[in-house]
Amino acid sequence: GAVVSQHPSRVICKSGTSVKIECRSLDFQATTMFWYRQFPKQSLMLMATSNEGSKATYEQGVEKDKFLINHASLTLSTLTVTSAHPEDSSFYICSAADRGTTDTQYFGPGTRLTVL
Amino acid sequence: LAKTTQPISMDSYEGQEVNITCSHNNIATNDYITWYQQFPSQGPRFIIQGYKTKVTNEVASLFIPADRKSSTLSLPRVSLSDTAVYYCLVGDVDTPLVFGKGTRLSVIA
Repeated sequence: GAVVSQHPSRVICKSGTSVKIECRSLDFQATTMFWYRQFPKQSLMLMATSNEGSKATYEQGVEKDKFLINHASLTLSTLTVTSAHPEDSSFYICSAADRGTTDTQYFGPGTRLTVL
Repeated sequence: LAKTTQPISMDSYEGQEVNITCSHNNIATNDYITWYQQFPSQGPRFIIQGYKTKVTNEVASLFIPADRKSSTLSLPRVSLSDTAVYYCLVGDVDTPLVFGKGTRLSVIA
């Protein structure tokens, strides 16, 4: 099946620093990728839709200047958490849409961010 | 607001068949029905997807009635390793998926 990877799998950073998370579709091209956040014992919450070659679309309540998304190629989207604070600590998960082959969204393994 | 409704939790003994039903009364014509499995601290894993009637793969079956307002995931002969949260989602491939609370399946020895 289609594979989506994320890097890093976990990261610990100090408050005020920025962290970049990569999402790659390994064996298919994805014009659309999605970023989710998941807090303990809760479901996934959509943060933004990332479209290759255009600006991301953010969900209500998600600060676009804090969560910078870049979808520079058909296989890579990045999420940068700027000026991270402890409340940004969460599990970040991306998904990529495999349109034309399986017509299915596949999820990455997630990135655990801990802000001290 | 989630587009789907599922039971919050289910328990089953090893070796039994488990059926999880999901309601999606407002499913759109272009929407597929997709089920994912999630273990703690992992991303959701694709299980099965369908549009109508029945779909079967090596791990599960998906039953969809003609009106498509519900669907049932069937897991044959579950094992302890099937303990996880199962999500039913509806949508087109490149539209955002709205997650509900999912169904927490506990398999007991």
